[in-house]
Amino acid sequence: SAVISQKPSRDICQRGTSLTIQCQVDSQVTMMFWYRQQPGQSLTLIATANQGSEATYESGFVIDKFPISRPNLTFSTLTVSNMSPEDSSIYLCSFKTGDDEQYFGPGTRLTVT
Amino acid sequence: GNSVTQMEGPVTLSEEAFLTINCTYTATGYPSLFWYVQYPGEGLQLLLKATKADDKGSNKGFEATYRKETTSFHLEKGSVQVSDSAVYFCALRVSSGTYKYIFGTGTRLKVLA
Repeated sequence: SAVISQKPSRDICQRGTSLTIQCQVDSQVTMMFWYRQQPGQSLTLIATANQGSEATYESGFVIDKFPISRPNLTFSTLTVSNMSPEDSSIYLCSFKTGDDEQYFGPGTRLTVT
Repeated sequence: GNSVTQMEGPVTLSEEAFLTINCTYTATGYPSLFWYVQYPGEGLQLLLKATKADDKGSNKGFEATYRKETTSFHLEKGSVQVSDSAVYFCALRVSSGTYKYIFGTGTRLKVLA
């Protein structure tokens, strides 16, 4: 099965700054997803990223705050912009297989001070 | 709307005890159902799945049966090990043309030697 990696694995950032998280899959995939997992809580879908089109955002998430790029079939980035402490979370990327399963990256643990 | 409800944790068991983690769902149509596991410091891993009523998913000694009449997908294991200590997430994917997953809040399992 495909391997999915994320960088950075963790970061501590100051409020008002931005962080870009990279997600790399070792094979071509059509659909990639970005999730947020706040401390002690479940996963919330931020957006779906398809190559060649703009990301589709879920209710409560906007492109200005979480711009996403999907330049090719193996790579995506999520930027967390103008961060505040409320953005402290684990951010996970995932992809969907032809068998309708989702595989997740190891996550990026973000702390905003 | 679509939702997943899991039993609250933490669940603490002795090694070799029987495990049940309850999961019920609300969904339109015929969703696919999944259990994911998150080991400490790692991302989510697919544990098992079932795509239609009465299907039984199984992996690593864990089982869950898709019960449409009770809208449930309870996770069971006959004899847990310390290495099973993790957070377990129940999830559904709605069936009609979307790949959106909805996750439960997760149940933390702690197995004592």
